[in-house]
Amino acid sequence: GIQVEQSPPDLILQEGANSTLRCNFSDSVNNLQWFHQNPWGQLINLFYIPSGTKQNGRLSATTVATERYSLLYISSSQTTDSGVYFCAAGPNSGGSNYKLTFGKGTLLTVNP
Amino acid sequence: DTGVSQDPRHKITKRGQNVTFRCDPISEHNRLYWYRQTLGQGPEFLTYFQNEAQLEKSRLLSDRFSAERPKGSFSTLEIQRTEQGDSAMYLCASSRGQWNTEAFFGQGTRLTVV
Repeated sequence: GIQVEQSPPDLILQEGANSTLRCNFSDSVNNLQWFHQNPWGQLINLFYIPSGTKQNGRLSATTVATERYSLLYISSSQTTDSGVYFCAAGPNSGGSNYKLTFGKGTLLTVNP
Repeated sequence: DTGVSQDPRHKITKRGQNVTFRCDPISEHNRLYWYRQTLGQGPEFLTYFQNEAQLEKSRLLSDRFSAERPKGSFSTLEIQRTEQGDSAMYLCASSRGQWNTEAFFGQGTRLTVV
């Protein structure tokens, strides 16, 4: 099945700094999602971005499907941005093209 | 609230007991998924329903696990004879349409087997 790798595994920032999280995937995709997992465990949808670029406030994401990677940008980080960020990919082919495979996540800590 | 709803949020059970979790998907979503997440890992796929049909079960889903989605609405996940290794967060998600569209997750059920 598809493999998903995220980097870095951990990231510590000062409030106000910018950051880039990366997600590499091993196969062509028809679904690529970024999530933020809150302290209670719920996965909050950030972006549905199988290709192209999207922006939502201080967050933006870019997926380059032909090169099999996606980037999540966080600008002017705030302490409330802390938490685990997951990338999840759904393959474009094969019998299981409806399910998501998750990376291991990036643990972001934003210090005041 | 029209999001995915899971019940209970937390469950503590003794080893060997049976537990059942419920998931109510977003109402117009025909696809429903169960995932399991252990500490420090990303969620892993367990099973998938399209309407009421269970179309795939992961090898992670031993025969102690069973899932149903009667009438294509809510879903239940039952674990029989729980083991300590079953302790995890169980996440339900739903999506709509024919293709791999955006999935939305519930708050999860955290299971602790003691």
